[in-house]
Amino acid sequence: DTGVSQNPRHKITKRGQNVTFRCDPISEHNRLYWYRQTLGQGPEFLTYFQNEAQLEKSRLLSDRFSAERPKGSFSTLEIQRTEQGDSAMYLCASSLAVTSTDTQYFGPGTRLTVL
Amino acid sequence: DAKTTQPPSMDCAEGRAANLPCNHSTISGNEYVYWYRQIHSQGPQYIIHGLKNNETNEMASLIITEDRKSSTLILPHATLRDTAVYYCIVLDNYGQNFVFGPGTRLSVLP
Repeated sequence: DTGVSQNPRHKITKRGQNVTFRCDPISEHNRLYWYRQTLGQGPEFLTYFQNEAQLEKSRLLSDRFSAERPKGSFSTLEIQRTEQGDSAMYLCASSLAVTSTDTQYFGPGTRLTVL
Repeated sequence: DAKTTQPPSMDCAEGRAANLPCNHSTISGNEYVYWYRQIHSQGPQYIIHGLKNNETNEMASLIITEDRKSSTLILPHATLRDTAVYYCIVLDNYGQNFVFGPGTRLSVLP
């Protein structure tokens, strides 16, 4: 257990529905990242926050995706109008970016299945 | 694209050392080498990282060549629980997001 928690662990939804995932980082960590991982592939970066500011977004993050970290603590990732291609594991990671390196610690992930 | 290349799979006998290679020929002077592993259906787990010097912790050792163009992760006494996909990543100290390649699938055999 890294101290990063994600909820729910599994989500099954029908195409067209909206879903929201939550990530609680390690408490003192100021950076929070979202990644997506499809079967047989390594994780792919989606976006990251430093405190409450969203500083970078991947081109993978379509208009249907939105992420927030309102108070610089937990974060949510929402997918609107889900498509079957959104089925994947969604991973959250956090880091404390005040040291010379930026080691990221990952949560267990939320597995999304879109029917 | 990932800046590293790794063999797609390796086998290792239980109790023996597992040596996982990684090539990062385009690494720049301020980029660190990170290793993570991912056991089936879990999030990636941090193992070790280094810049120039060899590093050792309770999980593994990291050997970086003098020219920094390649590295080797060593699990000194592999167990069945070390069966996982191992990812080698290079990251600028000022970069934020990891770029994962496909990794090496290590199978530890009894």
